[in-house]
Amino acid sequence: DTAVSQTPKYLVTQMGNDKSIKCEQNLGHDTMYWYKQDSKKFLKIMFSYNNKELIINETVPNRFSPKSPDKAHLNLHINSLELGDSAVYFCASSQDREGASPLHFGNGTRLTVT
Amino acid sequence: AQKVTQAQTEISVVEKEDVTLDCVYETRDTTYYLFWYKQPPSGELVFLIRRNSFDEQNEISGRYSWNFQKSTSSFNFTITASQVVDSAVYFCALSPGSGTYKYIFGTGTRLKVLA
Repeated sequence: DTAVSQTPKYLVTQMGNDKSIKCEQNLGHDTMYWYKQDSKKFLKIMFSYNNKELIINETVPNRFSPKSPDKAHLNLHINSLELGDSAVYFCASSQDREGASPLHFGNGTRLTVT
Repeated sequence: AQKVTQAQTEISVVEKEDVTLDCVYETRDTTYYLFWYKQPPSGELVFLIRRNSFDEQNEISGRYSWNFQKSTSSFNFTITASQVVDSAVYFCALSPGSGTYKYIFGTGTRLKVLA
């Protein structure tokens, strides 16, 4: 019973391609997130959705577009991939938007752009 | 400003040693939440503990203990009798009570426990 699942686990692609990462949570949480972890392990928030409403849209290129069809899903689409997009992308969810409850993370998607 | 500082980039210890990972935070909020996460070499992020700002009791869970001190804005994490399986990157995070941005992470401390 995976709580937060994201696919694929690994994604290797060439510059210029478009790719998507899917995320689903079965915890009944209202809020979902995308984080990017760079090679130095720094975790940076990208987006946050609460009940399908975008509440955080951090300064990321508009080549990144999140989509939340329902509160259990938050997908990430990336257009025109660049070398600098190589990173590990984590999906997460939390019970509320106030930040009082812990984040539950997916296992991450390692994106490599060649 | 809301900020989390983990000044120790990397720590190496020999198995069975005790080790403390430091976390210092900044916030003007009176209500806030603090967290620790573990990221083992396999890469997943595992939640360890949550503390709210009104609860300064220290917590112990097996070999893990946490020391929360509001006077010094610190939330330090001690592993007693470290084991090789404790080798991981550990992140401290702050959720301020106000504002949109939650779960502000520190830069992490890489702990290496040598056999």
